[in-house]
Amino acid sequence: RKEVEQDPGPFNVPEGATVAFNCTYSNSASQSFFWYRQDCRKEPKLLMSVYSSGNEDGRFTAQLNRASQYISLLIRDSKLSDSATYLCVVNPDKLIFGTGTRLQVFP
Amino acid sequence: GAGVSQSPSNKVTEKGKDVELRCDPISGHTALYWYRQSLGQGLEFLIYFQGNSAPDKSGLPSDRFSAERTGGSVSTLTIQRTQQEDSAVYLCAIKRGSGANVLTFGAGSRLTVL
Repeated sequence: RKEVEQDPGPFNVPEGATVAFNCTYSNSASQSFFWYRQDCRKEPKLLMSVYSSGNEDGRFTAQLNRASQYISLLIRDSKLSDSATYLCVVNPDKLIFGTGTRLQVFP
Repeated sequence: GAGVSQSPSNKVTEKGKDVELRCDPISGHTALYWYRQSLGQGLEFLIYFQGNSAPDKSGLPSDRFSAERTGGSVSTLTIQRTQQEDSAVYLCAIKRGSGANVLTFGAGSRLTVL
């Protein structure tokens, strides 16, 4: 089993839609969780950290479920500019990236 | 990204040759990572350096791969006797500040092995 698993997608959604991604992790000792965004042929950039109580940043909401060992990212009111690959990152000791979920928002 | 400079940005080499990829990070970083990303794939952890501790080399795919960090700053990833499956983008990333687990990535070095 991979340490961090994501549905690769692609998720094709219309503008304005709400879309959610999940990411499961295997190491119960993981302490830090993040979502990164990667545009085509660019380096990954931090989107948001994931806090135990859940957190929101504008249209983006991140949640952590320790019991089931997954984190989620919800994007509301999708924009064309949200089209990218979303990578979850888990830190038991070193930062492990999931393979990413590709999102394509269409007009 | 700002704070991490990688070179070369593109490298084309012949199978069997050795290559060196360089990462020049901003001073004051607390940890330095190398990842590999093959076309259409996720990031594969290779190695990380933190402080004066021995590096975590658990992600290096074979003994043809090695990395060092000189003076706690510049890092070089060396691939000996390159193979076609080594073709990928090699990304260097740093953590800034103690207690921060956020990574700042360089733009990467794209390696093509013919």
